[in-house]
Amino acid sequence: GAGVSQTPSNKVTEKGKYVELRCDPISGHTALYWYRQSLGQGPEFLIYFQGTGAADDSGLPNDRFFAVRPEGSVSTLKIQRTERGDSAVYLCASSLHQAMNTEAFFGQGTRLTVV
Amino acid sequence: GDSVTQMEGPVTLSEEAFLTINCTYTATGYPSLFWYVQYPGEGLQLLLKATKADDKGSNKGFEATYRKETTSFHLEKGSVQVSDSAVYFCALTSNFGNEKLTFGTGTRLTIIP
Repeated sequence: GAGVSQTPSNKVTEKGKYVELRCDPISGHTALYWYRQSLGQGPEFLIYFQGTGAADDSGLPNDRFFAVRPEGSVSTLKIQRTERGDSAVYLCASSLHQAMNTEAFFGQGTRLTVV
Repeated sequence: GDSVTQMEGPVTLSEEAFLTINCTYTATGYPSLFWYVQYPGEGLQLLLKATKADDKGSNKGFEATYRKETTSFHLEKGSVQVSDSAVYFCALTSNFGNEKLTFGTGTRLTIIP
């Protein structure tokens, strides 16, 4: 596809369950970012990958959150023992490389609702 | 740490009115500054950017000037259209080799015909 693709677009899960959110970046983009956007707020940084490695995971709120990018392309954000406070839109973005001023392209997000 | 403070919304204007959305920032070093826009039902899109002091970013009739002395990056448009209705986010990167964005809370703009 031409843009960043995120699946599913919506996910409803019960408190305590495990969820996986998937991001397909633009082909050839080596940098990948996850953000979380709560209602009425701007996106907040979670984690940044350069290639396969997590270069900065300082935004992950706690150890229930984990993300992988095993082949340097698709990334999965994993949330264990979900809580109602995890409800938000999870955004993925990719950019061509780490160099300064490279534009980040965003997906449409996955809306996660924990009931 | 880095932060962005944006004019609170919602903002409602008539078509052809002049638009200003205020944005100020706090950052270490020399950040790059951005305005992103989110149209209804769509993902975030880059609207414009400026990478150093006194630079002016422009796109689709929107402009913003990087003012280091006032740490501001206000968004302006001389004559808004109904199609400009969207949520606008001011953002920065700290340019320390990691292009993670720090966003403001967003300003919802509605243009009335």
